[in-house]
Amino acid sequence: QVTLRESGPALVKPTQTLTLTCTFSGFSLTTNGVCVNWIRQPPGKALEWLARIDWDDDKYYNTSLKTRLTISKDTSRNQVVLTMTNMDPLDTGTYYCARIPYDGSGTHFDHWGQGTLVTVSS
Amino acid sequence: QSVLTQPPSASGTPGQRVTISCFGSSSNIGTGAVTWYQQFPGTAPRLLIYRSYDRPSGVPDRFSGSKSGTSASLAISGLQSEDEADYYCAAWDDSLNGPVFGGGTKLTVL
Repeated sequence: QVTLRESGPALVKPTQTLTLTCTFSGFSLTTNGVCVNWIRQPPGKALEWLARIDWDDDKYYNTSLKTRLTISKDTSRNQVVLTMTNMDPLDTGTYYCARIPYDGSGTHFDHWGQGTLVTVSS
Repeated sequence: QSVLTQPPSASGTPGQRVTISCFGSSSNIGTGAVTWYQQFPGTAPRLLIYRSYDRPSGVPDRFSGSKSGTSASLAISGLQSEDEADYYCAAWDDSLNGPVFGGGTKLTVL
């Protein structure tokens, strides 16, 4: 059974750095083709893809946020970590991690975490 | 402003067939597969359609996807009250080198 779970602070101050962890089970990020992504959703708004890390450690970032994002993985702990620097109130929203299976396309997010709400406020 | 364009709302009565459109460009839908997600309030999105036409196991065959050129559609036949949700399309964008989503369509079952 594939599961993903996001964890991190619920509240961060403007200009601070956000660190989110995605802990997963039921699959391995060493399997050829598997990827883990971060996607966010501001309250009442649309989904926005942030970053992706592949089984071979290739990384992809949203071009408009690239300078603020870093994604990494710890395969021994089955975790993927996302850091976002210089947080702003506009970054408030629910942050999800989601898996792409080994045979999936670049938008084939077959399993999602429940999401974690991050509020940016002083 | 989302890269993929969806109507903000759609509606239908129980039993009816409704379609939700998704318009893109040659750098995304025009060159690759489209994925559709269903999202209920307060929950994570659920994969509904992948590779433009395929359904994961567990998704009723009332849901179907199609694609033509730079646009795609999600059709829901035999509309049910539990289909009331937000629907998002997604596609890989070659220019942005990443996935892009539509703005979402809120489906109301009257």
